[in-house]
Amino acid sequence: AAGVIQSPRHLIKEKRETATLKCYPIPRHDTVYWYQQGPGQDPQFLISFYEKMQSDKGSIPDRFSAQQFSDYHSELNMSSLELGDSALYFCASGNSGGPLNEQFFGPGTRLTVL
Amino acid sequence: AQSVTQPDIHITVSEGASLELRCNYSYGATPYLFWYVQSPGQGLQLLLKYFSGDTLVQGIKGFEAEFKRSQSSFNLRKPSVHWSDAAEYFCAVGSGGTSYGKLTFGQGTILTVHP
Repeated sequence: AAGVIQSPRHLIKEKRETATLKCYPIPRHDTVYWYQQGPGQDPQFLISFYEKMQSDKGSIPDRFSAQQFSDYHSELNMSSLELGDSALYFCASGNSGGPLNEQFFGPGTRLTVL
Repeated sequence: AQSVTQPDIHITVSEGASLELRCNYSYGATPYLFWYVQSPGQGLQLLLKYFSGDTLVQGIKGFEAEFKRSQSSFNLRKPSVHWSDAAEYFCAVGSGGTSYGKLTFGQGTILTVHP
């Protein structure tokens, strides 16, 4: 069965650089969620989209922005990177027509900021 | 605001022994509860979920969890642990409603299995 695809899987950036993380949801899923998991931490909700509109927002820094495109893939754009942004970034997708809150997670993008 | 507490940061069991991982939640309405498992450097795999109905839910890999509203708990159990169960386990509560699934996770419990 198709799963959530995230690219790249690993990314190394310098401080103050920008990064773009991509997420391709499971086919026919209309909802995308982004989470950030710092080292030894639990995943923290950043932002979510439903039908290309932002549906909820969590603890996402102003330096980050995200959007969902017409093909339902999503991109998380991160600017002025800081050392503390080093984390595993998960994307999850869901089907609003299915059971509430059942999210399927991608493998994550590991971002390292040097 | 919703929150999840996993009181045990690290649990060690012997292979073949039974397992119980504790989870307590705080949520104003009927909660949507989940258990996820994460192997090192890997993504999150859903073990089981509770939305309503029977309070004892069965999941994959022989896991089960029981929802107890009076105790605000959703503990994960397995009667006989296998070495491959060693991983980190996260309990989560979903907000439901119009947010379509913002999950709040507990701090996680690391499970070590001794042969």
